Amino acid sequence: SAVISQKPSRDICQRGTSLTIQCQVDSQVTMMFWYRQQPGQSLTLIATANQGSEATYESGFVIDKFPISRPNLTFSTLTVSNMSPEDSSIYLCSVGAGDGYTFGSGTRLTVV
Amino acid sequence: AQRVTQPEKLLSVFKGAPVELKCNYSYSGSPELFWYVQYSRQRLQLLLRHISRESIKGFTADLNKGETSFHLKKPFAQEEDSAMYYCALLTGGGNKLTFGTGTQLKVEL
Repeated sequence: SAVISQKPSRDICQRGTSLTIQCQVDSQVTMMFWYRQQPGQSLTLIATANQGSEATYESGFVIDKFPISRPNLTFSTLTVSNMSPEDSSIYLCSVGAGDGYTFGSGTRLTVV
Repeated sequence: AQRVTQPEKLLSVFKGAPVELKCNYSYSGSPELFWYVQYSRQRLQLLLRHISRESIKGFTADLNKGETSFHLKKPFAQEEDSAMYYCALLTGGGNKLTFGTGTQLKVEL
């Protein structure tokens, strides 16, 4: 299965600023997924990123708040924009298909 | 809409005791279900999927469409089984995973 490198592993950010999270995969993949895990809650899909097209966002998530880039088949970034304390969460990227998904190690974001 | 329910946030068992982590789902289509596990300080990883019908680390899970359940079972718990377990449902044409809220399994000596 694919190996994902995600960074940063954690960050503490001031409200109103933005943070970009990077995911690098060791093989070419068609789709990459971005999830959020709020404290004490489950993983929620933010968006699906395909190379060469705009990301598809789930209900409750918008591009202005969570812009995503997918410049090639092995890399993607998620930006959390204009952060507020409510954005404090773990953000994870994932790749895979119906036979199973691989996850990055996550980015623990704290907004103060 | 699809939904995955894991009713227990925390399950404590003694070493050697049987384990059952409950998972119920709601989905109008044909479900594909997974169990993921996250050990302390490690990333989320696939434990098993119902299609493969395999046993991983002594764990099994049977899909019961009548009861819309996919409970995870192990006959004898081991200390190393202590972890967070998530049940997940694959939908969206095979691209979207919907996760349950997770169950923290604690195996006590």
